Amino acid sequence: EADIYQTPRYLVIGTGKKITLECSQTMGHDKMYWYQQDPGMELHLIHYSYGVNSTEKGDLSSESTVSRIRTEHFPLTLESARPSHTSQYLCASSAGTGSIGETQYFGPGTRLLVL
Amino acid sequence: QKEVEQDPGPLSVPEGAIVSLNCTYSNSAFQYFMWYRQYSRKGPELLMYTYSSGNKEDGRFTAQVDKSSKYISLFIRDSQPSDSATYLCAMNTGGFKTIFGAGTRLFVKA
Repeated sequence: EADIYQTPRYLVIGTGKKITLECSQTMGHDKMYWYQQDPGMELHLIHYSYGVNSTEKGDLSSESTVSRIRTEHFPLTLESARPSHTSQYLCASSAGTGSIGETQYFGPGTRLLVL
Repeated sequence: QKEVEQDPGPLSVPEGAIVSLNCTYSNSAFQYFMWYRQYSRKGPELLMYTYSSGNKEDGRFTAQVDKSSKYISLFIRDSQPSDSATYLCAMNTGGFKTIFGAGTRLFVKA
């Protein structure tokens, strides 16, 4: 069973608030990812990290930012939440090496509703 | 055109049926092929992983990759109501980026 955790699981917040979605993994994986998932749609990569102090934007334009100060921790921050940010946010990690290196392990997700 | 195409379903089958789930893709550089299962309000969990072409079996699940046709399949034998979920195919060239299908919703009726 993958050891990757996300908090909060559900969040309802008003427009304009700053929020941070937490993600932690205990597998020692170097690579971590944030995805946005809407019902019936593909996962869209919004941020990824190769390791500590390495972060990149993904394909989907996002107003969020991320940081990677520790291997196990990859928080995502929205400085000013908007209704268009309402979605499910999934964090994942992968070892990036070995025979199953690109296999990603997902957290349970954070469902965000911005009013 | 999307890099990965997956029929969204829903697919409804009776308990005990054999289920076939499929994805097609356009990028011949994909080498790693995965199937994830996602229950409602949960994150995806890895079900099967295959490198390059061929078959892989794990219990009631069999994954097939046909690189010549750019087509992958997941078969579920003796399907159970607990198999009701959304199944996502995913592919990777060996780099950081994994491309996911939109998922097929499966309902197994008791």
